[in-house]
Amino acid sequence: AQTVTQSQPEMSVQEAETVTLSCTYDTSESDYYLFWYKQPPSRQMILVIRQEAYKQQNATENRFSVNFQKAAKSFSLKISDSQLGDAAMYFCAYNTDKLIFGTGTRLQVFP
Amino acid sequence: DTAVSQTPKYLVTQMGNDKSIKCEQNLGHDTMYWYKQDSKKFLKIMFSYNNKELIINETVPNRFSPKSPDKAHLNLHINSLELGDSAVYFCASSFPGLAGTRETQYFGPGTRLLVL
Repeated sequence: AQTVTQSQPEMSVQEAETVTLSCTYDTSESDYYLFWYKQPPSRQMILVIRQEAYKQQNATENRFSVNFQKAAKSFSLKISDSQLGDAAMYFCAYNTDKLIFGTGTRLQVFP
Repeated sequence: DTAVSQTPKYLVTQMGNDKSIKCEQNLGHDTMYWYKQDSKKFLKIMFSYNNKELIINETVPNRFSPKSPDKAHLNLHINSLELGDSAVYFCASSFPGLAGTRETQYFGPGTRLLVL
């Protein structure tokens, strides 16, 4: 069965600091996509970043970057220069033919 | 300039009632989805339609029936509502580019359903 594990139910970071959210997944597939979604209190699901498994280069979107380790089936999200608006639930997700989500990590940002 | 919209945003109803949630996307996408997010925030896919054709049907009670009148709309009808149906329901859509159903999915704002 395909599973996505986020081992950190909650994380906290000081404003302007860097935080890394971890994600591992289990699959026998070789062709898949990985995503990080953010869900603020408004409950809107917002795409943060996406990574194609066939690409070796780690994806980057402004302050957000990933560390994709395909052999280890690991896909962590690094948030640099954290801002108060980054406070949210973060979901890691994996997709071969359907999107499978992890259980989420709640990120708090302190001023 | 809404991309994926859902109505209603909130729905409070009694057990045993029948209710519908509507979803519309103006992104020109071919594939639409319904997800359920439970009280522990766990998100799980329920259904997926590609150009009005059902392509994913997870293990969902048959009280739930999706309907896609055209590729821009996907509605969810729920019969005989139960307490356990209380959740947030999200609609999403994606464009089946080279990655097919692995393409990025864009979510609606969610519908919070409370069954009393």
